[in-house]
Amino acid sequence: GNSVTQMEGPVTLSEEAFLTINCTYTATGYPSLFWYVQYPGEGLQLLLKATKADDKGSNKGFEATYRKETTSFHLEKGSVQVSDSAVYFCALSDPRNDYKLSFGAGTTVTVRA
Amino acid sequence: GAGVSQSPRYKVAKRGQDVALRCDPISGHVSLFWYQQALGQGPEFLTYFQNEAQLDKSGLPSDRFFAERPEGSVSTLKIQRTQQEDSAVYLCASSLSAAGGYTFGSGTRLTVV
Repeated sequence: GNSVTQMEGPVTLSEEAFLTINCTYTATGYPSLFWYVQYPGEGLQLLLKATKADDKGSNKGFEATYRKETTSFHLEKGSVQVSDSAVYFCALSDPRNDYKLSFGAGTTVTVRA
Repeated sequence: GAGVSQSPRYKVAKRGQDVALRCDPISGHVSLFWYQQALGQGPEFLTYFQNEAQLDKSGLPSDRFFAERPEGSVSTLKIQRTQQEDSAVYLCASSLSAAGGYTFGSGTRLTVV
């Protein structure tokens, strides 16, 4: 079946530090890949996505590249801010039923001033 | 409305009680999804509607779980004879189309005591 494994948290960083959250996946076929973010007290929001190998998704200074050879979709940001404190979820869509998402367990990131 | 609205925000139920959770999707969104998120885990797919048709209910964990969307807008997730293992956050999401990029609500946190 489809599954997503992401880096365990919590992760605590200082402002302006580099952030990376590892995500690897298992799927039959070619899924689309997503990063969702959940800020405190809010619903999940789509942060970025990539639909095929070597695509790079980017938004709000975050980037992730779809790596088929390593089945990975690591999230990176060069200089984090306090406002980036949130829970980050990596997800993939089922290649046969692309409405169905499988999520990782989430990584809690706290950025300190 | 501007976003996906879920009610109630919190629900405490005694074991064996029936509960009903409501989702108001974004107006005009054809696709609607329910996910279950246990503590410390990522969301897991429950069911998918396209307008009023329930096209996939493969994620519903037992026949105690039932979802409906009779007029193709508001949806209700009903859980009969609640058990402690049903304690979780229930997330609703909607989108214009089926494939990814959903807008999630803030969820209903159900606690069964």
